[in-house]
Amino acid sequence: QKEVEQDPGPLSVPEGAIVSLNCTYSNSAFQYFMWYRQYSRKGPELLMYTYSSGNKEDGRFTAQVDKSSKYISLFIRDSQPSDSATYLCAMQGSGGSNYKLTFGKGTLLTVNP
Amino acid sequence: EAGVVQSPRYKIIEKKQPVAFWCNPISGHNTLYWYLQNLGQGPELLIRYENEEAVDDSQLPKDRFSAERLKGVDSTLKIQPAELGDSAVYLCASSYAQELNEQFFGPGTRLTVL
Repeated sequence: QKEVEQDPGPLSVPEGAIVSLNCTYSNSAFQYFMWYRQYSRKGPELLMYTYSSGNKEDGRFTAQVDKSSKYISLFIRDSQPSDSATYLCAMQGSGGSNYKLTFGKGTLLTVNP
Repeated sequence: EAGVVQSPRYKIIEKKQPVAFWCNPISGHNTLYWYLQNLGQGPELLIRYENEEAVDDSQLPKDRFSAERLKGVDSTLKIQPAELGDSAVYLCASSYAQELNEQFFGPGTRLTVL
């Protein structure tokens, strides 16, 4: 079993839909939970992160972490065609092990106008 | 602020040929990473540098891959000889030492080995 599992999709939705992206993980040492967005032919860029459990909202994006279930989610409200990209979850420990990011496979999202 | 710069963006070579990728990190970032990203997969760490020192190269296939970061700034990743299975995107990232390890990625070099 991989440390981080992510449904690869692909996911295709109409403009304005609510999108839900998810990852599960097995390593209890993970403390930071991140979502990177990767456009075609580009490198990943950090979209948002959450420390430990809880929710975090940034505009149309909401990240949720449930450490008891080892499950994280990213919700996109009122999705736009410009949101079409691959979304990668990534996780990091804290303290001395914080340098290493463990990525999921990524979910390819297409938002159709 | 300039981002992470990588070159070349694309490279096509015959198998058994050597190839080299170059990375210039964000100014002031002491940590540099090389990742391998296969199609439909997340990035996988090959090597991490803290300044000039390679502090984690456990995932680097040392029989054919080598890397260097002279003067703790630019870095070069080399493959010699390349194999068909090396076709992938090679990403460079950099970060500044802090609790949240936000890594900034370059656009990558897409390698095709024929």
